[in-house]
Amino acid sequence: DFVMTQSPEYLAVSLGERATINCKSSQTLLYSSNNKNYLAWYQQKPGQPPKLLIYWASTRESGVPDRFSGSGSGIDFTLTISSLQAEDVAVYYCQQYYSTPYTFGQGTKLEIK
Amino acid sequence: EVQLVESGGGLVQPGGSLRLSCSASGFTFSTYTMHWVRQTPGKRLEYVSVISGDGGSTFYADSVKGRFTISRDNSKNTLYLQMSSLRAEDTAVYYCVKDVIMIVGAFDIWGQGTLVTVSS
Repeated sequence: DFVMTQSPEYLAVSLGERATINCKSSQTLLYSSNNKNYLAWYQQKPGQPPKLLIYWASTRESGVPDRFSGSGSGIDFTLTISSLQAEDVAVYYCQQYYSTPYTFGQGTKLEIK
Repeated sequence: EVQLVESGGGLVQPGGSLRLSCSASGFTFSTYTMHWVRQTPGKRLEYVSVISGDGGSTFYADSVKGRFTISRDNSKNTLYLQMSSLRAEDTAVYYCVKDVIMIVGAFDIWGQGTLVTVSS
């Protein structure tokens, strides 16, 4: 199985500042035939199910604010929130969908400093 | 509005059985691969199972293989998860999830989840 490792586990950032979350896969998520990375990012707020933010490592889901961006390729990926807003407090998960069983990172809890 | 609504969770003794249901609306259910994902009390997300749109193809995580059965009734727009020989480690919130169109494995719609507690 693919192991997804996120860092850090906890992150505190001031309002308006940049937040960066990393995700590392145990195997490449880049499929050579279509040059796409099979990596998604989700946001989960308390009492709610996860919400899809990003897929194909960098494609923003419809309705997601453009302060959220995804980057990376192969085994190393990053979710960046360019200017943290109060409503961004949540747990963030990365997930690979390159191969079943699809697997998730352990989560990064983002708080306001 | 695209919606998934799970039901059937509850408290069950170790070794017991439970059937979860997921009612889908707002999209052409039969054309989508559907999945079950669970979230443990420690908030870890675990992939459980998947079924193709016509129900002819399924996959199970090793942790549930041989104990859980995924199925669907496209005439009722409903997804099921039959769980048997339940263990304490199966305790979790179970989510029914739908793929992004044409992207199997990226989940754009999640139900609210149904809690399964396995305890004596």
